[in-house]
Amino acid sequence: AQSVSQHNHHVILSEAASLELGCNYSYGGTVNLFWYVQYPGQHLQLLLKYFSGDPLVKGIKGFEAEFIKSKFSFNLRKPSVQWSDTAEYFCAVISQTGANNLFFGTGTRLTVIP
Amino acid sequence: DTAVSQTPKYLVTQMGNDKSIKCEQNLGHDTMYWYKQDSKKFLKIMFSYNNKELIINETVPNRFSPKSPDKAHLNLHINSLELGDSAVYFCASSQGRVGGYTFGSGTRLTVV
Repeated sequence: AQSVSQHNHHVILSEAASLELGCNYSYGGTVNLFWYVQYPGQHLQLLLKYFSGDPLVKGIKGFEAEFIKSKFSFNLRKPSVQWSDTAEYFCAVISQTGANNLFFGTGTRLTVIP
Repeated sequence: DTAVSQTPKYLVTQMGNDKSIKCEQNLGHDTMYWYKQDSKKFLKIMFSYNNKELIINETVPNRFSPKSPDKAHLNLHINSLELGDSAVYFCASSQGRVGGYTFGSGTRLTVV
């Protein structure tokens, strides 16, 4: 069965600090990977996605993520966070061949202190 | 133009009532979904519809029934509402697996 783990439940950073949020997935086949962001009281928005090719993908708002196949990881990074990055971040995975079902991790709450 | 729109945004109702949440997408996507987000922010898929066919039905109570009159709409009907049904329900749509899902703004359901 597919599963997605986000080990950081709540991360608190000061503005300008660097960010890395962990995401590990468990699945026997080939997957597509996503990071979504949910600002307070809002819906989920796609930050970035990986399907194939360059394992380092760049998304919106200065975010990037690196797919490391050997570690089954897809960590999200940002060199310098801003107060406006305060939100909930979700890693998600979908099989490339099985059921068309996007599985989400439990989310990481990021709080950025001005 | 809102890509995936849900109504209502907020819904407060008493236990035992029946309610519906509507969802419409104007993206031309072929699959639509309903997700439930609980108080701990965990997102769990409930249903998906592809070309009017239910293709995923997770272990949700049969009080929940999705209804899709056409490819652009997927409504969620809930019978005999219970306190534990209180959550935020998100509609989403997708075209294949490559583009990811586009989510609606959510419906916050509170059962009292």
